[in-house]
Amino acid sequence: GAGVSQSPSNKVTEKGKDVELRCDPISGHTALYWYRQSLGQGLEFLIYFQGNSAPDKSGLPSDRFSAERTGGSVSTLTIQRTQQEDSAVYLCASSLGERGASDTQYFGPGTRLTVL
Amino acid sequence: AQSVTQPDIHITVSEGASLELRCNYSYGATPYLFWYVQSPGQGLQLLLKYFSGDTLVQGIKGFEAEFKRSQSSFNLRKPSVHWSDAAEYFCAVVTEDGGNKLTFGGGTRVLVKP
Repeated sequence: GAGVSQSPSNKVTEKGKDVELRCDPISGHTALYWYRQSLGQGLEFLIYFQGNSAPDKSGLPSDRFSAERTGGSVSTLTIQRTQQEDSAVYLCASSLGERGASDTQYFGPGTRLTVL
Repeated sequence: AQSVTQPDIHITVSEGASLELRCNYSYGATPYLFWYVQSPGQGLQLLLKYFSGDTLVQGIKGFEAEFKRSQSSFNLRKPSVHWSDAAEYFCAVVTEDGGNKLTFGGGTRVLVKP
């Protein structure tokens, strides 16, 4: 079946602009995660959605970052007033959400964001 | 908070030789342990995972990993590498009190010499 998809695959923006990154999880997966991969920080967690529960936003680096998940499926990560340090690959993952911590997370190909 | 250490940033191995990638974690209880591989320009693919039971786990592409509680380690091995194994490998943990999120090590980049 279809895996996790993300769009766009590449995004170049100017400092100060807002960007939106999209994630389509695997159908039927109730858990959705956003991670960021950058040269300086490695792979780091950003935010986690599970069903209708309040999201775990503990990894968001600043209030310029926000995410929503509509209808329990598609998610959008929004970065406002982008800064050069936001340049990274943003990875989305989804899991069944049935077994909590032991669920396998399946990753999308990522969106490479470059802030000029 | 849990942490994961991959001591080797780069490893170069000859095709056909064996490979071992090290991973150490810091956590009071036994976490759930994962190895992911990332090929150039690709997303992360799960190689194997350990939750409980037999401490030697088999994964895809001929990889295996051994959990050693006494050493807080979860090293990844492959008896004979192929050129297609050139990639970056990430060890990761999830803990039940950690909110289900993966905490990753810094990664080990594997280069395969012909």
